Amino acid sequence: GQNIDQPTEMTATEGAIVQINCTYQTSGFNGLFWYQQHAGEAPTFLSYNVLDGLEEKGRFSSFLSRSKGYSYLLLKELQMKDSASYLCATFGWDSSYKLIFGSGTRLLVRP
Amino acid sequence: DVKVTQSSRYLVKRTGEKVFLECVQDMDHENMFWYRQDPGLGLRLIYFSYDVKMKEKGDIPEGYSVSREKKERFSLILESASTNQTSMYLCASRTRNPLNTDTQYFGPGTRLTVL
Repeated sequence: GQNIDQPTEMTATEGAIVQINCTYQTSGFNGLFWYQQHAGEAPTFLSYNVLDGLEEKGRFSSFLSRSKGYSYLLLKELQMKDSASYLCATFGWDSSYKLIFGSGTRLLVRP
Repeated sequence: DVKVTQSSRYLVKRTGEKVFLECVQDMDHENMFWYRQDPGLGLRLIYFSYDVKMKEKGDIPEGYSVSREKKERFSLILESASTNQTSMYLCASRTRNPLNTDTQYFGPGTRLTVL
């Protein structure tokens, strides 16, 4: 089957660094996505990892360890606008068409 | 830029009504998806389509049907709306390649309230 776990909520301070973890169990693996979703809006793509290691994109970085079934999203120099939900997603085991999403981590950035 | 549009941002319907949610994408994507999103439950897949006239059930298809008559358009139908179908509905599309590595793009969502 397919299972994705991430923390429900996190709080951090403006200007700080925060790491949002995601663990997954899957038979077959075609990559892991991170999406950002502001309240009342659609998810928007942040990053995609298919190989082990860290991918950096400005203030956001995403890490993957396939052997551990683990990923994290690292947000640096936090800004108030980073307050949002962050969704981890990977492809379903029974069909490469379907992205399976975690429940999301709601991040609150405080001044 | 990929664009996925949905027919309504907000919709209010009564129990028992038939409801159509339309989704259109302009990037010639083969795969299209309908999700619903509820607090604490995350995104759950209702139906998806990998080609015109092709459809497959997702994780929660009960009470829903879909139609894909044209490549760019994927419709979600609630035959007889019920209050437990009050939710945010998100459409998404993605191209198909052998490795399935392309990004999935979402529409803006339709917040449906069934009274």
